[in-house]
Amino acid sequence: TQLLEQSPQFLSIQEGENLTVYCNSSSVFSSLQWYRQEPGEGPVLLVTVVTGGEVKKLKRLTFQFGDARKDSSLHITAAQPGDTGLYLCAGPYNQGGKLIFGQGTELSVKP
Amino acid sequence: GAVVSQHPSRVICKSGTSVKIECRSLDFQATTMFWYRQFPKQSLMLMATSNEGSKATYEQGVEKDKFLINHASLTLSTLTVTSAHPEDSSFYICSARDNHNEQFFGPGTRLTVL
Repeated sequence: TQLLEQSPQFLSIQEGENLTVYCNSSSVFSSLQWYRQEPGEGPVLLVTVVTGGEVKKLKRLTFQFGDARKDSSLHITAAQPGDTGLYLCAGPYNQGGKLIFGQGTELSVKP
Repeated sequence: GAVVSQHPSRVICKSGTSVKIECRSLDFQATTMFWYRQFPKQSLMLMATSNEGSKATYEQGVEKDKFLINHASLTLSTLTVTSAHPEDSSFYICSARDNHNEQFFGPGTRLTVL
């Protein structure tokens, strides 16, 4: 059973288009994180959302945490080829600071 | 931000040999480090939690005798893949947690077993 369901898993779009990636769970999370990973590298933290209903912006990226803290979304405006990569949501579970990851969204932005 | 390094970045070995991967926190101390495995086009799967000075905690389905973890200091954890087989070929990533509970990921190690 996947605790964090991410969708879509694959997304191929043209430069300039907008897109949204979703991360859903039936469980409540104290926080959720979004990472971006390029091939052959480790994931890099983009943002952490902590408060239900919170919206955070990072240039053309907008992150939202659901009111009930069970879901989150990542919206990219006017995607560019440099946005290509694997986007992962993750959240802590149990004690000990373990992170579980969603399945990931492989984004390809074509020029 | 804090930096985590991994060594080697890539390794190729013959089936049946053992391979050691190092994970270092370069500018902070980490009592807890985590080891993940990632197959192509897939997400990260947690293998084990490495605790300084004590035994690692393995996730369900991960063989502790095959994936030996040693966390002998506050800046170093090692993962040894023993008697490696082709199905162990994967991208292994570690992360280290600082005293603010934030995790920082290493760049990963690509293991190929022939």
